[in-house]
Amino acid sequence: EDKVVQSPLSLVVHEGDTVTLNCSYEVTNFRSLLWYKQEKKAPTFLFMLTSSGIEKKSGRLSSILDKKELFSILNITATQTGDSAVYLCAVEAGATNKLIFGTGTLLAVQP
Amino acid sequence: DAMVIQNPRYQVTQFGKPVTLSCSQTLNHNVMYWYQQKSSQAPKLLFHYYDKDFNNEADTPDNFQSRRPNTSFCFLDIRSPGLGDAAMYLCATSRTDTQYFGPGTRLTVL
Repeated sequence: EDKVVQSPLSLVVHEGDTVTLNCSYEVTNFRSLLWYKQEKKAPTFLFMLTSSGIEKKSGRLSSILDKKELFSILNITATQTGDSAVYLCAVEAGATNKLIFGTGTLLAVQP
Repeated sequence: DAMVIQNPRYQVTQFGKPVTLSCSQTLNHNVMYWYQQKSSQAPKLLFHYYDKDFNNEADTPDNFQSRRPNTSFCFLDIRSPGLGDAAMYLCATSRTDTQYFGPGTRLTVL
């Protein structure tokens, strides 16, 4: 059975801290891994990763994929209160881009 | 400009009263998805269309049906909503490098 596991389930940090969120997966016909940020609305796309070892970066956020060890990490540096959200990892599998979601990591950034 | 539009944003229905949620897209994507997301849970795929081909997830209840009359529109019909169907319903479309989500419809069942 395809599965995506995220850790930790929740995390509380202070502004300015750096956080690392983890996502591991076991799926058949892997196509890509995606990270989303979800506040009290629909998920917002962050990154799509298809190749191992190539870091994607957007401002204070970065992510990398390891297809050999079947995991990805999402880093957030110099965290801000606006980074508080659920971060969802999803793996795209099969011919029709079906997404298999992890349970998410709830990040709370305190002032 | 909104690319994936869902209507209504909030829907209240009564137990057992049929309800239809709509999704439209301006992206001309050939794949459209419906997800159900309950509180504090990840989105769960209900079904998707690849062009006109309908693909139902094995554990999607028969109470949930879908229609896609053309490329731009997709509907989710809940024939007899139960209290357990209260959730956020997310529509998404995809192209080769990402899925675009609509804002969701929050369904309340009284």
